[in-house]
Amino acid sequence: SQQGEEDPQALSIQEGENATMNCSYKTSINNLQWYRQNSGRGLVHLILIRSNEREKHSGRLRVTLDTSKKSSSLLITASRAADTASYFCATDSRSGGYQKVTFGTGTKLQVIP
Amino acid sequence: EAQVTQNPRYLITVTGKKLTVTCSQNMNHEYMSWYRQDPGLGLRQIYYSMNVEVTDKGDVPEGYKVSRKEKRNFPLILESPSPNQTSLYFCASSLRGLDTEAFFGQGTRLTVV
Repeated sequence: SQQGEEDPQALSIQEGENATMNCSYKTSINNLQWYRQNSGRGLVHLILIRSNEREKHSGRLRVTLDTSKKSSSLLITASRAADTASYFCATDSRSGGYQKVTFGTGTKLQVIP
Repeated sequence: EAQVTQNPRYLITVTGKKLTVTCSQNMNHEYMSWYRQDPGLGLRQIYYSMNVEVTDKGDVPEGYKVSRKEKRNFPLILESPSPNQTSLYFCASSLRGLDTEAFFGQGTRLTVV
């Protein structure tokens, strides 16, 4: 699997329910970010969590990071139809002088009104 | 308004005809990068630049060139496009590389026939 692999690939829930998406990665990271993409449009940054942080909140979003398991989760509480989008995690890898970014394949979330 | 602007938004071209996709940001960001997005593969980094005159390969650089002569612009050049470069392309910028959030352009949908 790729660095930054999301799970599940697709998720369909009713409005008001919580949505949880997971991301696993393979190599050590300095930080992990979550992005949202509405169909075919540019990505929008949601939250950044650093490797020394375990949990972060932003509004209805809650992100956790477990570096021992090389995994992160994104929880959206009280979902709304407007949350329908694809969600991606992104990790950084640095070695020597370079700084590459790796995105996962994404979780497609559908929130049914 | 802070933004990343890509042009064109849509492009259909023929195999072998050189093309350039422009990217410009107005936020004085140091880090800029190009990604391609293909179904089932997520976003893959093509090239990135950590500052003016500093560029490096991402995960899928073959068939692409970039330049960073000024801080605000980061064009993507396809010297001899081929059908396997048909994809959705995104440019992104961030203030200080991977420790800060990235802002994405609206995307360029390229079809090579």
